[in-house]
Amino acid sequence: GAVVSQHPSWVICKSGTSVKIECRSLDFQATTMFWYRQFPKQSLMLMATSNEGSKATYEQGVEKDKFLINHASLTLSTLTVTSAHPEDSSFYICSARLLAETQYFGPGTRLLVL
Amino acid sequence: GENVEQHPSTLSVQEGDSAVIKCTYSDSASNYFPWYKQELGKGPQLIIDIRSNVGEKKDQRIAVTLNKTAKHFSLHITETQPEDSAVYFCAAGGGADGLTFGKGTHLIIQP
Repeated sequence: GAVVSQHPSWVICKSGTSVKIECRSLDFQATTMFWYRQFPKQSLMLMATSNEGSKATYEQGVEKDKFLINHASLTLSTLTVTSAHPEDSSFYICSARLLAETQYFGPGTRLLVL
Repeated sequence: GENVEQHPSTLSVQEGDSAVIKCTYSDSASNYFPWYKQELGKGPQLIIDIRSNVGEKKDQRIAVTLNKTAKHFSLHITETQPEDSAVYFCAAGGGADGLTFGKGTHLIIQP
């Protein structure tokens, strides 16, 4: 149980295009999902907290107009990187909260912007 | 906000020996402390967690201890095996907030 999926697993795009990443909780309903970013050989940095049916809460320094988050249902949250640039290349990981504080992570999406 | 320090950054142990990774946190309001294992190119996998009302928790070869007064918690892996090689992250948090992660420990199990 407690499986979280992400799609796509990797994506290469041209600078200036937008990329959408999906995060799904497959066998449970998650009222809260989180989006993290991880650069090579570094730790996970929380980008935003996504609550079903409400606006996402962004961490300091994360541009909400650049990283659009939609949490339309209890099993799906999407992150759209708008007008992506090479510096946005990273490993994006979502997590879904099952019980209290317990978070289960997806497999991650590797984004490469050329 | 919360700040989590993790040590060591790299740990190399002989197969069969024990490994210990330590973390400290700064926010006394944090009450949830999970440990994650991350293999190359994959998402973190929850391996064990502890809440602030418990001092120690064990699951087979893995154990976690928590000292709330000193604000530190540790991961103990006994009888290490090659498949234990990975990057391990501690984290702290609680309530509605996301987790604050340590910088990670690269555990290398030497055959």
